[in-house]
Amino acid sequence: KNEVEQSPQNLTAQEGEFITINCSYSVGISALHWLQQHPGGGIVSLFMLSSGKKKHGRLIATINIQEKHSSLHITASHPRDSAVYICAVLPGAQKLVFGQGTRLTINP
Amino acid sequence: DTGVSQDPRHKITKRGQNVTFRCDPISEHNRLYWYRQTLGQGPEFLTYFQNEAQLEKSRLLSDRFSAERPKGSFSTLEIQRTEQGDSAMYLCATGGTNYGYTFGSGTRLTVV
Repeated sequence: KNEVEQSPQNLTAQEGEFITINCSYSVGISALHWLQQHPGGGIVSLFMLSSGKKKHGRLIATINIQEKHSSLHITASHPRDSAVYICAVLPGAQKLVFGQGTRLTINP
Repeated sequence: DTGVSQDPRHKITKRGQNVTFRCDPISEHNRLYWYRQTLGQGPEFLTYFQNEAQLEKSRLLSDRFSAERPKGSFSTLEIQRTEQGDSAMYLCATGGTNYGYTFGSGTRLTVV
């Protein structure tokens, strides 16, 4: 079993829908990251969380440390949100451990 | 422009050849990481540097792989005697615990 599990693995939705991507992890962490990866490979950091909730534009990330669970929400989804969203945790102070990613497709 | 430049973006090589990738952080960071990502999977840790010191290597990093960061700025990752299983995206990142991470666009290696 992977230390970081994401669900769903693939998600297709219509423009405007509310999107939720989930991340569960099995180790103690100092921080959790949500990342976005577009075709071509480049990864962009969206959020770094250690507790509570963060919001940036239409994106919201939450984390429940006790339950070892985080969610990424996208409101009013748009085709340009189509990408792979990756959850990554920091078990210690050094290297990230990644989930397998969620491929999101938003259709117009 | 992500703040971390990787070169080349794509590399096709024949099995058995050696390849070298370069990672150039635009601004100075103490920590530099190499990750490998295969199709449909999340990145996996390979190695990381604190300045010029290589502090940790994954067991994924066989003897055919070597990484350097000679002046504590840019880094190179060399794969000797490439195998088809080495085909992957190789990602470089800088940052750490309190700063977040900045990723390069990666080098996609195809071994034929």
